[in-house]
Amino acid sequence: AQSVTQLGSHVSVSEGALVLLRCNYSSSVPPYLFWYVQYPNQGLQLLLKYTSAATLVKGINGFEAEFKKSETSFHLTKPSAHMSDAAEYFCAVSDNLNSGGSNYKLTFGKGTLLTVNP
Amino acid sequence: GAVVSQHPSWVICKSGTSVKIECRSLDFQATTMFWYRQFPKQSLMLMATSNEGSKATYEQGVEKDKFLINHASLTLSTLTVTSAHPEDSSFYICSARGLGSGTYEQYFGPGTRLTVT
Repeated sequence: AQSVTQLGSHVSVSEGALVLLRCNYSSSVPPYLFWYVQYPNQGLQLLLKYTSAATLVKGINGFEAEFKKSETSFHLTKPSAHMSDAAEYFCAVSDNLNSGGSNYKLTFGKGTLLTVNP
Repeated sequence: GAVVSQHPSWVICKSGTSVKIECRSLDFQATTMFWYRQFPKQSLMLMATSNEGSKATYEQGVEKDKFLINHASLTLSTLTVTSAHPEDSSFYICSARGLGSGTYEQYFGPGTRLTVT
């Protein structure tokens, strides 16, 4: 069984400040990990993904995340927040197996709403 | 590339009627499509997984007779909400996964807002 915990349902930062969104996972097999962003009334857009290659993953819009196995974490960061970063962010975990009915199903965290103050 | 569309983007229906939502992969063939439900200010909950040409696999607690899923081709899956009730009002999002053993990534549609009155 897999699970994702996102600490902090709401994070507020000032424009230009560091963004840190926390994600911890639980998985019985080596995981694939994802961060998605959702703007109001829209679907999900992939920011970045970890698939057992480099542990520091760079994504779109200046975001990056580091996979830390010892901490079972995959926190999302951005050095300088922009107003356009205000959105809901979801961390998700998938197993890396395409067998036994897995189909790489995603398990999502509850989401973190990021607000950026001018 | 890897674009997924949904139709309609929003729909309002009366209680007791049925509503069909389409999910299409526009520029790739999708062996697997997933249907999610999202309540306001909440996360996505997987409802079912469908593989082309076979019956959908529903998650625990999802009524298969109420949420009918058809995945008749490699580019189209449909979700039909039968005998809809106000509690079925929600944001429904589909995603699609492409062909190939290494294609683990899901591409998400823009979602369909269903309101049952």
